[in-house]
Amino acid sequence: DSGVTQTPKHLITATGQRVTLRCSPRSGDLSVYWYQQSLDQGLQFLIQYYNGEERAKGNILERFSAQQFPDLHSELNLSSLELGDSALYFCASSVGRGGIDEQYFGPGTRLTVT
Amino acid sequence: QKEVEQDPGPLSVPEGAIVSLNCTYSNSAFQYFMWYRQYSRKGPELLMYTYSSGNKEDGRFTAQVDKSSKYISLFIRDSQPSDSATYLCAMSGGTGANSKLTFGKGITLSVRP
Repeated sequence: DSGVTQTPKHLITATGQRVTLRCSPRSGDLSVYWYQQSLDQGLQFLIQYYNGEERAKGNILERFSAQQFPDLHSELNLSSLELGDSALYFCASSVGRGGIDEQYFGPGTRLTVT
Repeated sequence: QKEVEQDPGPLSVPEGAIVSLNCTYSNSAFQYFMWYRQYSRKGPELLMYTYSSGNKEDGRFTAQVDKSSKYISLFIRDSQPSDSATYLCAMSGGTGANSKLTFGKGITLSVRP
């Protein structure tokens, strides 16, 4: 158990809908990262927050947004969902700003868009 | 060309075999190199981390980095059925905007008893 929690574990929704994925980092970790894992693209970095501020951005679509709250938990919002958004979404956390910090991954949320 | 390429697999070996997993990369800014292991239905976990060319050993695992060739490898000695998992290489430029991890697509390893 990495200490990172994610809810829900599974989510099934229809195209065009909006969903929110939630992540609680390990105690003491200030950075939260979001990743998308699909069979064809592999594990791709979406976005990082450090202590409430956006720190780095990856291949995140404009339909997706995230935030980190004062208690350091984070939410990833996915809107206008398409079939291609079906994937595993992982949250990871680390102590510092990133780079060489070890990232601890949560168990993931499996999103299925029908 | 993708920034990180990883042998696609899958790979199946008998117990006790030596396993070699490889990744190549194109971005010279990458300075930190990692191997993650991901069991089925779990999140990735860090296995090995190195930042310099050469070898780093941890038990049955050896990570090798060749920056001149932009090539990294993970060797598993005396492989065990419990090593059956997906292995992902990951790389980072280190700090600031380059701190994000770029992953290979992963290779699924199966160790047969």
